[in-house]
Amino acid sequence: AQSVTQLGSHVSVSEGALVLLRCNYSSSVPPYLFWYVQYPNQGLQLLLKYTSAATLVKGINGFEAEFKKSETSFHLTKPSAHMSDAAEYFCAVTSDSNYQLIWGAGTKLIIKP
Amino acid sequence: KAGVTQTPRYLIKTRGQQVTLSCSPISGHRSVSWYQQTPGQGLQFLFEYFSETQRNKGNFPGRFSGRQFSNSRSEMNVSTLELGDSALYLCASSVLGGETQYFGPGTRLLVL
Repeated sequence: AQSVTQLGSHVSVSEGALVLLRCNYSSSVPPYLFWYVQYPNQGLQLLLKYTSAATLVKGINGFEAEFKKSETSFHLTKPSAHMSDAAEYFCAVTSDSNYQLIWGAGTKLIIKP
Repeated sequence: KAGVTQTPRYLIKTRGQQVTLSCSPISGHRSVSWYQQTPGQGLQFLFEYFSETQRNKGNFPGRFSGRQFSNSRSEMNVSTLELGDSALYLCASSVLGGETQYFGPGTRLLVL
């Protein structure tokens, strides 16, 4: 069965530094892969979505993610962190067998001034 | 289009009571999923409704139930509330399910 692993429950970077949040899926290539962001006391907001059209996907707020089939990864990056990026980030993939999304545990991004 | 709306936004109940939460999906979306989010357990899938039928179910006790109406609006009910049910309950809608889900702001439930 498909599963999603996000490495690091907390990631801390300095403002202006590169942001790298890791996501790996477990089995066959899922139809879709997603990154969502959750700001404090809010619902989840879609950052970007991979649909096999291109391996590098650009999202909102300067984020992008690269799909690497050989590494079963879909890591999220941003060249320069901003204080407003502090939030929790979730990776999700579509299940192979039904219509569910399979979610990672989330990574809290902390931005140091 | 209006986004996903959830009511109420905040709720305080006592142990043993029951609660009903409401979710109105984006117009045209037929799939509604519910999630429970807590600091300890993270985001956990409760169930998904599609065209008034429960299509998927997570690993929660029978005290948690839901339904979907013909206009795709959904409700979830928790009976005999326990302290551990304190959480943020999130609703998400999508056109068919399994593709992009759009989330509401959530209902924060506190059980005393």
